[in-house]
Amino acid sequence: DGGITQSPKYLFRKEGQNVTLSCEQNLNHDAMYWYRQDPGQGLRLIYYSQIVNDFQKGDIAEGYSVSREKKESFPLTVTSAQKNPTAFYLCASSTGRYSYNEQFFGPGTRLTVL
Amino acid sequence: QQQVKQSPQSLIVQKGGISIINCAYENTAFDYFPWYQQFPGKGPALLIAIRPDVSEKKEGRFTISFNKSAKQFSLHIMDSQPGDSATYFCAARVKSSGSARQLTFGSGTQLTVLP
Repeated sequence: DGGITQSPKYLFRKEGQNVTLSCEQNLNHDAMYWYRQDPGQGLRLIYYSQIVNDFQKGDIAEGYSVSREKKESFPLTVTSAQKNPTAFYLCASSTGRYSYNEQFFGPGTRLTVL
Repeated sequence: QQQVKQSPQSLIVQKGGISIINCAYENTAFDYFPWYQQFPGKGPALLIAIRPDVSEKKEGRFTISFNKSAKQFSLHIMDSQPGDSATYFCAARVKSSGSARQLTFGSGTQLTVLP
């Protein structure tokens, strides 16, 4: 059963702490993405990766970091430098083989800073 | 700067009615325009998509109308059903030679279909 899994579903963090959100895909997709969703603002791109060991900043990368050591995995770390981290975080992936490739989204992780 | 403007922010339609959501863009480098449907607490799922070389695409009750000269595109949901109640996002993607194709999303429309 192919797809994208994100964990945990809910995450609570105290101010000043770093947290890591997990994203795993078994779709054999080359590209992976992290988006942040806030009410009324749509989805904004944080980071994306085209291949293993390569990633690029999106529109709102400040306060976040990523790694891509395996094709299947693209974890996102929300650091204490992120000023307003409470949001719904979505991971997506797409195949790089075709021009009009669909992005598939995971179920999301809701992060709340206490 | 928001590159894709979506309206309305919310929409209430009676069952059986037509739901219409509009998007406008400025960047002529966009070459792919998908619409995503998102239910509460879930990730978005691709609903329908169009390329700029066609003016309309229909899949079941869902139709995208595309006006390249006006740089606008819209989603029409015919015979709207309560199960269609969700948030809808338009998006656009810049043509790229890389494997990663960044999507720019509109701000979303919360659709409620009354029974």
